[in-house]
Amino acid sequence: GAVVSQHPSRVICKSGTSVKIECRSLDFQATTMFWYRQFPKKSLMLMATSNEGSKATYEQGVEKDKFLINHASLTLSTLTVTSAHPEDSSFYICSARDGKGAVAEAFFGQGTRLTVV
Amino acid sequence: KQEVTQIPAALSVPEGENLVLNCSFTDSAIYNLQWFRQDPGKGLTSLLLIQSSQREQTSGRLNASLDKSSGRSTLYIAASQPGDSATYLCAVQAGNMLTFGGGTRLMVKP
Repeated sequence: GAVVSQHPSRVICKSGTSVKIECRSLDFQATTMFWYRQFPKKSLMLMATSNEGSKATYEQGVEKDKFLINHASLTLSTLTVTSAHPEDSSFYICSARDGKGAVAEAFFGQGTRLTVV
Repeated sequence: KQEVTQIPAALSVPEGENLVLNCSFTDSAIYNLQWFRQDPGKGLTSLLLIQSSQREQTSGRLNASLDKSSGRSTLYIAASQPGDSATYLCAVQAGNMLTFGGGTRLMVKP
């Protein structure tokens, strides 16, 4: 299957700093990527849909100024957690679809464990 | 609003058993349904994708079925192995969005 690479896999940062997470589709182009957050022993919660060349679409309750998304190319989307606080500590996962339309299969990155101290 | 439920939430079986994981969804207007595996602290690995027009998909010891009209899917794992221990997630796609179930944590004991 297609490969989605996410980096870093783990990051620890101080409260008040910003952290950038990268999501790359390695062997396909993705016009749309998705960012999820996962709390311990919980399922994935969609945060936002990242669209290449345009603004991201955020889900209700997700602060767009807090979680900045940039999708500058067909193979790269970034999520920046700005002014991070301990409550932002979580597991963040990105996803991309291989192909256009509804039938395209979704592939996921390895996830990023963010710990804010 | 689409809601996806997975039963059971946790399951422990001895090695070699065949088992069934269940997934139900409230809105049958879906494009496809996907089963994933997630190991602790890791991302998701796609196991099987069933398009809305399909009834089942098979990959090795895994078989997934889809009954769109009743809003149900099952993941059948044959001859379970300790290496199958993980959390299994189902997700349905409608429009551009994937909606996930809460997952089933599977433990296969040697």
